[in-house]
Amino acid sequence: EDKVVQSPLSLVVHEGDTVTLNCSYEVTNFRSLLWYKQEKKAPTFLFMLTSSGIEKKSGRLSSILDKKELFSILNITATQTGDSAVYLCATGTYKYIFGTGTRLKVLA
Amino acid sequence: EAQVTQNPRYLITVTGKKLTVTCSQNMNHEYMSWYRQDPGLGLRQIYYSMNVEVTDKGDVPEGYKVSRKEKRNFPLILESPSPNQTSLYFCASSLVEGATYEQYFGPGTRLTVT
Repeated sequence: EDKVVQSPLSLVVHEGDTVTLNCSYEVTNFRSLLWYKQEKKAPTFLFMLTSSGIEKKSGRLSSILDKKELFSILNITATQTGDSAVYLCATGTYKYIFGTGTRLKVLA
Repeated sequence: EAQVTQNPRYLITVTGKKLTVTCSQNMNHEYMSWYRQDPGLGLRQIYYSMNVEVTDKGDVPEGYKVSRKEKRNFPLILESPSPNQTSLYFCASSLVEGATYEQYFGPGTRLTVT
């Protein structure tokens, strides 16, 4: 059975801290791993990863995929209160499996 | 503006009363999908569609129907809603092939079945 597991479930940090969010997966016919940010509304796209070892970067956020060990990490450096959200990872081939998310709270 | 729209945004209904949640996208995407989101369970896929007249089950299809008669629309039908279908529903769309398979999500429909 395909599954995606995210850790930690929740995280509270202070502004300026660096955080690492984890996503491990077991799926057949892997095509891509996607990260989304969800505030009090619909998920918004962050990254799509298809190849191992190639870091994707957007501002203070970065992500990397390890297809051998079947996991991905999302790093956020110099966190801000606006980073407070649920971070979701997902994988699959048209039939998508999402993790339950990591709830990040950044305190001022 | 590229977007996915859903209607209604909020709905309270009673058990057994058929309802339809509409979803429309203006990005000419082939792929569309429906999800439900429940506390502690995350996003779970209900149905998806690769193109017009092509639909397939996701992880939790029981109690739902879909149709894809036009490329832009992908309605979700609950023939006989039950309280366990109370949830937040999202529609999403994406390209089937291309540089990215990111899904664009609609704003969500909060459904309560009493």
